[in-house]
Amino acid sequence: AQSVAQPEDQVNVAEGNPLTVKCTYSVSGNPYLFWYVQYPNRGLQFLLKYITGDNLVKGSYGFEAEFNKSQTSFHLKKPSALVSDSALYFCAVRDANSGGGADGLTFGKGTHLIIQP
Amino acid sequence: NAGVMQNPRHLVRRRGQEARLRCSPMKGHSHVYWYRQLPEEGLKFMVYLQKENIIDESGMPKERFSAEFPKEGPSILRIQQVVRGDSAAYFCASSSGRGIYEQYFGPGTRLTVT
Repeated sequence: AQSVAQPEDQVNVAEGNPLTVKCTYSVSGNPYLFWYVQYPNRGLQFLLKYITGDNLVKGSYGFEAEFNKSQTSFHLKKPSALVSDSALYFCAVRDANSGGGADGLTFGKGTHLIIQP
Repeated sequence: NAGVMQNPRHLVRRRGQEARLRCSPMKGHSHVYWYRQLPEEGLKFMVYLQKENIIDESGMPKERFSAEFPKEGPSILRIQQVVRGDSAAYFCASSSGRGIYEQYFGPGTRLTVT
């Protein structure tokens, strides 16, 4: 079975400072990894994904994430936080080797990111 | 290009009634997924469909829940004889392919069972 852990319920960062939202995963095969952001009463918006290749992937709104296979992590980062980045962030995983039609994503519980002016 | 559309956005049902949630995927997408989000929880996968076929329903409760994606029209998630525990936000997502393709989510339907 696959799983995702987001160890922090909430992350507080001052505007202009770098931010990191942590994610670790567990799959039996190779992972496909995704980050999504959710604003209040809205659906999830896709930020970025790791499929293969370069461990550092860049996404929307200046976000990036680093895939670390040895640590089974996929932390979300941004060099300089904006107040508008305040939202709920979800990490998700799918096992690349699952086959058999198992295409549903497994999500973490989410991390509230609060950027303070 | 319109995104994933879901309706209604809010649905209130009394215990024992039926709830029908609709999802129109993004243009050009033939893969649809349904997820449920309980308060303070992440999204839980329910079912994955392609046109006229259920591919993976491993996350669907065994009773009262069903889904379809007909050749014409939106995908439907149907909940019969709703109970209070069904109260949640139900999200639909679509993609242009399987596996490596990201899923795009609709705004969700918030179901409240009274």
